[in-house]
Amino acid sequence: AQSVTQLDSQVPVFEEAPVELRCNYSSSVSVYLFWYVQYPNQGLQLLLKYLSGSTLVKGINGFEAEFNKSQTSFHLRKPSVHISDTAEYFCAVSVGFGNEKLTFGTGTRLTIIP
Amino acid sequence: DGGITQSPKYLFRKEGQNVTLSCEQNLNHDAMYWYRQDPGQGLRLIYYSQIVNDFQKGDIAEGYSVSREKKESFPLTVTSAQKNPTAFYLCASTSPGTGGYEQYFGPGTRLTVT
Repeated sequence: AQSVTQLDSQVPVFEEAPVELRCNYSSSVSVYLFWYVQYPNQGLQLLLKYLSGSTLVKGINGFEAEFNKSQTSFHLRKPSVHISDTAEYFCAVSVGFGNEKLTFGTGTRLTIIP
Repeated sequence: DGGITQSPKYLFRKEGQNVTLSCEQNLNHDAMYWYRQDPGQGLRLIYYSQIVNDFQKGDIAEGYSVSREKKESFPLTVTSAQKNPTAFYLCASTSPGTGGYEQYFGPGTRLTVT
């Protein structure tokens, strides 16, 4: 069975500084990878996804992530954060085509310091 | 606009009462899901349904029940057998054509049981 580890439960960052949110997964077969964002008391919104092809994936709101198969990682990055990026971020994995279930990490709460 | 609606946004119940959470989608998606979210635990899958009149237990199905009589609707009943029902509940949907089974989420229902 696959699993997802988000190493940092909370990440404080100063406004306009860069940020990296870490995600590692375990799976012996090919995977699809996702990052979702959740604002307080709301549902989840897709930031970006990796299905195949280029390992650098660009998403909404200036976020990007890099798929690293050898390190089984899918870290999320943004070069300059804004107050509006304050939210919880979830990494998720689905295994192979035809598997409609996602496994989620425990989330990383990103706090932007003015 | 296409999307997923969940109602109500906030729900309060007394211990020992069953309560039903609504989830409706107009995205024409085949699969629908229910997740429970608790602080620091990410999203845990309760039940999912890949087709009308069929559903499967997720990781934490005990104390919950579902039905899927229509493609658009997937209501969740939290029964009195659920030991700790206070949580944030999220409904999601997807289909093979969404690319990697990206899941679309509703705004959530916060259930408080006292």
